Amino acid sequence: SQQGEEDPQALSIQEGENATMNCSYKTSINNLQWYRQNSGRGLVHLILIRSNEREKHSGRLRVTLDTSKKSSSLLITASRAADTASYFCASTSGGSYIPTFGRGTSLIVHP
Amino acid sequence: DSGVTQTPKHLITATGQRVTLRCSPRSGDLSVYWYQQSLDQGLQFLIQYYNGEERAKGNILERFSAQQFPDLHSELNLSSLELGDSALYFCASSVDGQSYSYEQYFGPGTRLTVT
Repeated sequence: SQQGEEDPQALSIQEGENATMNCSYKTSINNLQWYRQNSGRGLVHLILIRSNEREKHSGRLRVTLDTSKKSSSLLITASRAADTASYFCASTSGGSYIPTFGRGTSLIVHP
Repeated sequence: DSGVTQTPKHLITATGQRVTLRCSPRSGDLSVYWYQQSLDQGLQFLIQYYNGEERAKGNILERFSAQQFPDLHSELNLSSLELGDSALYFCASSVDGQSYSYEQYFGPGTRLTVT
């Protein structure tokens, strides 16, 4: 079963706009990570946020974590066509070190 | 380029056959993970090896097995293949496999098609 579920399943925006993707999870987590996957390629790690952190930035990426709502969001600012990809959240919980991946949000950025 | 290599890139085979997928982790990484990605199941964790030993098991079928060799490369063996085994198989590696604060580096994947 999926620990994390991304929302929306698909997002289509124009270049220059911001893209926001959300991830909800069911049980308390140790950390949450976001990955990007270009079509048919391997996943690329973007950001890891620990359960005691609320916000992290990396370039045009901003990740927030709200443990009371069991949710996280990934914001991509000033999107580019090259940001077109699927974005996955993955979390570890309990005593497991293995991240559980959601089904992903498919982002299309139109030039 | 993540530094993780997987071979072959594509594999087409018939039902009932057996195939072996190979993965070389990033230099210095001791932990290797295998995942299966299909449209209906998403990304499913199969199995983890750490420094040659099995560390964690996920949704891996009995028809599937894996091992990690002394040089740390890993192989995933899939036998008695069924149509439903058609998927992308990813290998990932990490330095550690026993902490909550590590990132995984994914290989480019092997696309398996069972006909």
